[in-house]
Amino acid sequence: ETGVTQTPRHLVMGMTNKKSLKCEQHLGHNAMYWYKQSAKKPLELMFVYSLEERVENNSVPSRFSPECPNSSHLFLHLHTLQPEDSALYLCASSQGRVGSYEQYFGPGTRLTVT
Amino acid sequence: AQTVTQSQPEMSVQEAETVTLSCTYDTSESDYYLFWYKQPPSRQMILVIRQEAYKQQNATENRFSVNFQKAAKSFSLKISDSQLGDAAMYFCAYVNYGGSQGNLIFGKGTKLSVKP
Repeated sequence: ETGVTQTPRHLVMGMTNKKSLKCEQHLGHNAMYWYKQSAKKPLELMFVYSLEERVENNSVPSRFSPECPNSSHLFLHLHTLQPEDSALYLCASSQGRVGSYEQYFGPGTRLTVT
Repeated sequence: AQTVTQSQPEMSVQEAETVTLSCTYDTSESDYYLFWYKQPPSRQMILVIRQEAYKQQNATENRFSVNFQKAAKSFSLKISDSQLGDAAMYFCAYVNYGGSQGNLIFGKGTKLSVKP
């Protein structure tokens, strides 16, 4: 596998379920990101991890819980979601600690909350 | 706070023709980077082109070029000799140089259709 991969690609879950999204990057990068992409809205940055430490949390509700066990893997744990959380969740990675480096994106997980 | 505006929700171009996508941004910073990302219907977002604000020369990548007007805070993307594979959502993005990781700000995107 090359680049940034995400699993699953599609997920349907009820409001009481618990699920996790997985992201893996094969680029040797040291920063990873979660974004939420909703229709007709700009991409929303959710979390940033740099060298496995969370460096940014953009006021995301606690029903979203990120985990970064190492620099290649990033998870987003989901529990008691709301229908408005239905969206495409994109993972990205980048090299370096400054904000100048471009980010490489995964294909996304299409999440539907019923 | 920085903002990025793409005023064209949708654009259409004939195959082999040229199209320009607009992007404006607002910032009080002097050092920053600008990007254009492409998101085809398969959803994998890929980087098209990047511009460093300190460089006066416009970036070029094959058929893709930008018109960077720093004073006007404008960063348009020109696609020459458009191909069917260019059909996608295009996002303009901004990041402060040396800013916190993940300070990448996106516009709402422009959907480009290419007619054969």
